[in-house]
Amino acid sequence: SQQGEEDPQALSIQEGENATMNCSYKTSINNLQWYRQNSGRGLVHLILIRSNEREKHSGRLRVTLDTSKKSSSLLITASRAADTASYFCATDLSGGSNYKLTFGKGTLLTVNP
Amino acid sequence: SAVISQKPSRDICQRGTSLTIQCQVDSQVTMMFWYRQQPGQSLTLIATANQGSEATYESGFVIDKFPISRPNLTFSTLTVSNMSPEDSSIYLCSVEGSGRRDTQYFGPGTRLTVL
Repeated sequence: SQQGEEDPQALSIQEGENATMNCSYKTSINNLQWYRQNSGRGLVHLILIRSNEREKHSGRLRVTLDTSKKSSSLLITASRAADTASYFCATDLSGGSNYKLTFGKGTLLTVNP
Repeated sequence: SAVISQKPSRDICQRGTSLTIQCQVDSQVTMMFWYRQQPGQSLTLIATANQGSEATYESGFVIDKFPISRPNLTFSTLTVSNMSPEDSSIYLCSVEGSGRRDTQYFGPGTRLTVL
C-alpha cells in the first residue's frame, strides 16, 4: 500500500496565487521529499526535509513537516503557469536497512495564466 | 547531481514480446532503482539494482518477468518480458544522490504501450 497520500488529488489555481498540497504517511520516516513531474516525464527533486526538521524553504517553495501528525505540506507561492505539473511526496522509512523511497499518489496542479 | 539517460524514450510493442530498457548514468553510482508508473498513477518500485549483486525485487515483481542487469557502476537494463497490455506504463530508472539516504535523480522515463 502507498505510504504517502497527497491531497488534494487535483488543484486548479490562477497564476499568482499560492498552491498548497498536503501529504500524510503512516510510519516513522528518516526524511520526506517532494518531487515534480511534468507531463509523464522523469521526476525532478524539489526539496528534502529530515525527520528532525519542521520547516524548510527553497525559493518559492516552503515545506513543513509534522511528525506527530505524520503529515507534510508543500506551499508554492506566487505560482506560474510553468508550475503546472504533478507533485509527489516520497518517504524514506526509518529503520530499514535498504534505502528506498515510497511515493504517494500525487497532486495534479494546474496553474491557469 | 547525476545526469541519467534512458533508451528507448518510448515504444509500442506487441503482446508476448519483450523489451529491454537501458539506463545510463554520467557518474558511478552504487544503487540504481527501477520504477513503474501505470497510467495516471504514482511510482511503484520494481527493484533495486546494486552492481555486483542480484537485484532485490519488491513484492509483486519477479525476476522472470522483469530481469535486470547491472554490469557496471554506470549502466543497467530492465527487461519487460512476455508483455501484456497491463504492462503499458512509464518505466523510470533512478540513482541515489551522493548523500546517503538522500535525493534520487531520475531518468526521463520510457513510455511503453503494449497492444
